[in-house]
Amino acid sequence: GAGVSQSPSNKVTEKGKDVELRCDPISGHTALYWYRQRLGQGLEFLIYFQGNSAPDKSGLPSDRFSAERTGESVSTLTIQRTQQEDSAVYLCASSLASGGAGGNEQFFGPGTRLTVL
Amino acid sequence: GNSVTQMEGPVTLSEEAFLTINCTYTATGYPSLFWYVQYPGEGLQLLLKATKADDKGSNKGFEATYRKETTSFHLEKGSVQVSDSAVYFCALRGFNNNDMRFGAGTRLTVKP
Repeated sequence: GAGVSQSPSNKVTEKGKDVELRCDPISGHTALYWYRQRLGQGLEFLIYFQGNSAPDKSGLPSDRFSAERTGESVSTLTIQRTQQEDSAVYLCASSLASGGAGGNEQFFGPGTRLTVL
Repeated sequence: GNSVTQMEGPVTLSEEAFLTINCTYTATGYPSLFWYVQYPGEGLQLLLKATKADDKGSNKGFEATYRKETTSFHLEKGSVQVSDSAVYFCALRGFNNNDMRFGAGTRLTVKP
């Protein structure tokens, strides 16, 4: 694809409901990242995938958050039993994976704005 | 673990003023360093990067030099414009992995 896409662009849900957020990375990008950006704040790292595996899950805020990636492409971020403090923009990014001093750029999607009522 | 600390905002400048946004990092090995920019209503995009010590990244009049001795990557521009108003994020990628860490962001407002 031309860029990283995310769906839905906006999601309003009631407290306690589960939500699934989707990310389609750029074709051929083996690294995929999820971030959370609360209103007026910086990016909070959640998780990243190298291929289909997630070497670092330390950023996930609680066990209500999980993510998976299949076929080295699409990734879904699932939030169970949503709380009001989960309201934020969830950003996905992808990059080529080279390791070493490649300095590969991350390309960001437009984000999903989640509002928990 | 790796981390990035950047100057808190907001920063408000007049047009043509000199800009510095400080960024320091903590990392093992030799990370790559980035500045990303988020213009109002838009997604994050790469502004510049540097992949080894003493490298200078530059783009759109902005510059940042990778200083290993001070573990810094300060962003500078000699003469800011109103169109530079945005949020700027310093970021780091570890040498042996693709783990990215971002600073909290600095909001810049440039007034005419």
